Amino acid sequence: QQQVKQSPQSLIVQKGGISIINCAYENTAFDYFPWYQQFPGKGPALLIAIRPDVSEKKEGRFTISFNKSAKQFSLHIMDSQPGDSATYFCATTTSGTYKYIFGTGTRLKVLA
Amino acid sequence: EAGVTQSPTHLIKTRGQQVTLRCSPISGHTSVYWYQQALGLGLQFLLWYDEGEERNRGNFPPRFSGRQFPNYSSELNVNALELEDSALYLCASSLGTGSSTDTQYFGPGTRLTVL
Repeated sequence: QQQVKQSPQSLIVQKGGISIINCAYENTAFDYFPWYQQFPGKGPALLIAIRPDVSEKKEGRFTISFNKSAKQFSLHIMDSQPGDSATYFCATTTSGTYKYIFGTGTRLKVLA
Repeated sequence: EAGVTQSPTHLIKTRGQQVTLRCSPISGHTSVYWYQQALGLGLQFLLWYDEGEERNRGNFPPRFSGRQFPNYSSELNVNALELEDSALYLCASSLGTGSSTDTQYFGPGTRLTVL
């Protein structure tokens, strides 16, 4: 079965620090890698996404690094803030399947 | 612009009962997706509807079913509820372009508790 393995399960970071969440996938047919952010009581919201033809994408304090040969991608949150405290999910999909496969989530807590 | 809306917010049922959850997509979106988010687990794909048709379903038993209406809203029905059906049920919608970059936008979910 297609899987996406996400780590760590939980993460505690000091304010101003860097938060790093990693995901590994198996199927080389995956061609879109979004990250979602979910606050308690809310649905997941798209944070940032990358296609496999680029190795890095940055949007503000959020950066995705993509390693196609290792079949891994990671989310980096620079200058982490208490407002970033949420659960983060990586996901992946293949054109035409319409089915997102999600990682199990990382609960991030940023200490003030 | 209104986002994806879901109703009800919370629901408590007993084993063996049936439940219907509702979802209204973002205006202009034709694809609707249903996911189950059980405690401690990631989002598990349940169903995908587009243009009124079920296009794909995940590894869930047939007692999970649904439909999409002409206005693209959708219902998820769960029959013969079991304790392990307790979860947050999330609905998402997208433009339905067929591209992998066709972003899915999620609603706030319906929290189902089965006693």
